[in-house]
Amino acid sequence: EAQVTQNPRYLITVTGKKLTVTCSQNMNHEYMSWYRQDPGLGLRQIYYSMNVEVTDKGDVPEGYKVSRKEKRNFPLILESPSPNQTSLYFCASSLLTGSNTEAFFGQGTRLTVV
Amino acid sequence: GENVEQHPSTLSVQEGDSAVIKCTYSDSASNYFPWYKQELGKRPQLIIDIRSNVGEKKDQRIAVTLNKTAKHFSLHITETQPEDSAVYFCAAQTHSGYSTLTFGKGTMLLVSP
Repeated sequence: EAQVTQNPRYLITVTGKKLTVTCSQNMNHEYMSWYRQDPGLGLRQIYYSMNVEVTDKGDVPEGYKVSRKEKRNFPLILESPSPNQTSLYFCASSLLTGSNTEAFFGQGTRLTVV
Repeated sequence: GENVEQHPSTLSVQEGDSAVIKCTYSDSASNYFPWYKQELGKRPQLIIDIRSNVGEKKDQRIAVTLNKTAKHFSLHITETQPEDSAVYFCAAQTHSGYSTLTFGKGTMLLVSP
């Protein structure tokens, strides 16, 4: 089954404790991205990647890191989480070119930083 | 970069009525406009999309129209049903060497029985 898988689904952590949210896709998509969703602000892009070892900042990259060592994985790293990073996070993937560039989203990760 | 504005932020209709959600975009190079539906507690999922070489696209009760000159596109849902209640996001995408989606802030649609 074609899917994007994020882990964990829920996470409560303390300020300053490094964490990683994993994202994996099995559709051989070149393009992967991370979004955070906050009430009234919609989906804001954090980072994106067009292929292995190619990453770039989105609209709200501060406080986040990513890596793309393999095509299927695109982890989101919070080196020193702060309460303002409490949010719902989505990973998404898509083909980069072609007639069908539909973005497929993971299940979401609800992060609370206390 | 691209900026997508979406209106209204909330929309309440009676079952059977039509619902219209409007979006405007800023980058004239954008050429792909998808709409996503997000049910409560779930991930966004694509419901319909349109490319810039088409003015209108329909799929059963939903349709999307695009006016490239005015840089706006709209989602139309006819004969609304309670299961249409969700948050709807429009997005615009530019294929200029790379592909990135810019989303509107979303519209919460409530369909009352």
